[in-house]
Amino acid sequence: AQTVTQSQPEMSVQEAETVTLSCTYDTSESDYYLFWYKQPPSRQMILVIRQEAYKQQNATENRFSVNFQKAAKSFSLKISDSQLGDAAMYFCAYRSLWGNDMRFGAGTRLTVKP
Amino acid sequence: DAGITQSPRHKVTETGTPVTLRCHQTENHRYMYWYRQDPGHGLRLIHYSYGVKDTDKGEVSDGYSVSRSKTEDFLLTLESATSSQTSVYFCAISGSPRPSGGYNEQFFGPGTRLTVL
Repeated sequence: AQTVTQSQPEMSVQEAETVTLSCTYDTSESDYYLFWYKQPPSRQMILVIRQEAYKQQNATENRFSVNFQKAAKSFSLKISDSQLGDAAMYFCAYRSLWGNDMRFGAGTRLTVKP
Repeated sequence: DAGITQSPRHKVTETGTPVTLRCHQTENHRYMYWYRQDPGHGLRLIHYSYGVKDTDKGEVSDGYSVSRSKTEDFLLTLESATSSQTSVYFCAISGSPRPSGGYNEQFFGPGTRLTVL
């Protein structure tokens, strides 16, 4: 079974600075999807960014971008110009191309300091 | 936002009592999922449904059952709640897999916090 590992339980960043959250995964599949979800104190799960494994180009959504290294099975999230509203739990998730469920990492709690 | 509601949003119950959580969607999506969220584990799949009366087990299905009699409703039942089932439960929905590829995003409900004393 696929596993997802987030090695940083907590991270902090100064407002307006850049922070990178790490995620690695284990799979024998060649095609799959990867996601980053944000969970603010409201508990709502919000999709931040997604990546298809067969696309070489790293996904970007405004201030959020990923560094997808397929050979290394690494999928890190970079948040630029951090804002107070970025403070949340961030979850990395893996889904098989034809799978019906997602595998989540344990999460990284991001604190943004004013 | 996807139209997903969960009820109740909070519940406290005692060990040994039955509990049913409800997920309701207005998106007419085929797939529905139940996850539980625990510290240090992220979200883990309990059961999912790929159509009316079609369900399957997930990673942590022991002690849980599900039912789906209508497209819009997916029920999660704890037949006899235990303290280890204290958790936050999330429902999610998604469309059918796309033969041509592309994303098949899961949309999540607001969650239900369940405490079993």
